[in-house]
Amino acid sequence: ELKVEQNPLFLSMQEGKNYTIYCNYSTTSDRLYWYRQDPGKSLESLFVLLSNGAVKQEGRLMASLDTKARLSTLHITAAVHDLSATYFCAVDATGTASKLTFGTGTRLQVTL
Amino acid sequence: DGGITQSPKYLFRKEGQNVTLSCEQNLNHDAMYWYRQDPGQGLRLIYYSQIVNDFQKGDIAEGYSVSREKKESFPLTVTSAQKNPTAFYLCASSIGTSGRRGEQYFGPGTRLTVT
Repeated sequence: ELKVEQNPLFLSMQEGKNYTIYCNYSTTSDRLYWYRQDPGKSLESLFVLLSNGAVKQEGRLMASLDTKARLSTLHITAAVHDLSATYFCAVDATGTASKLTFGTGTRLQVTL
Repeated sequence: DGGITQSPKYLFRKEGQNVTLSCEQNLNHDAMYWYRQDPGQGLRLIYYSQIVNDFQKGDIAEGYSVSREKKESFPLTVTSAQKNPTAFYLCASSIGTSGRRGEQYFGPGTRLTVT
């Protein structure tokens, strides 16, 4: 059974600081997705990582994938309040069905 | 505007009643999915469909049923057999299931409360 673990589960950080969220998964996969969820809202797709060494960047967020270590990171640079949300990673280990297993999420709170 | 719609946004039901949640997409996506989210947790897959008239059970299918008679529509029925149905239900779709085509786009969700 595929397990996806994120840490930390909760992150409080000041504006302007940098931090990294980690996503570990338990079985071989080269398809990993990052999503953002605002309170009470749906999920917004952030990044799609489809190969070992993949790196994607959008604004202050950068995601990477190391399939050998079964690890993805979401790096936040110079955080701003608007980044406050819950971030989920999701892994597809089937290779064919796009059947995602989600992590429990990291709730990010950026304080002024 | 292309997108995924779910209705209703909020739904209240008495225990023992079946209830059907609607999911419609006009993105011409082949694949559709249903997830359940409980407070403070990630999403869990209930059912998914890769093509019209075909669907598969996800990780927590017990107490749920689906149909996929049209490409645009993938309704979810929460039956009285589902022991703890109160949750936030999210529908998603993707162009296909491989590579970049497997990227899933989510609807706004339906919050179901059963008392």
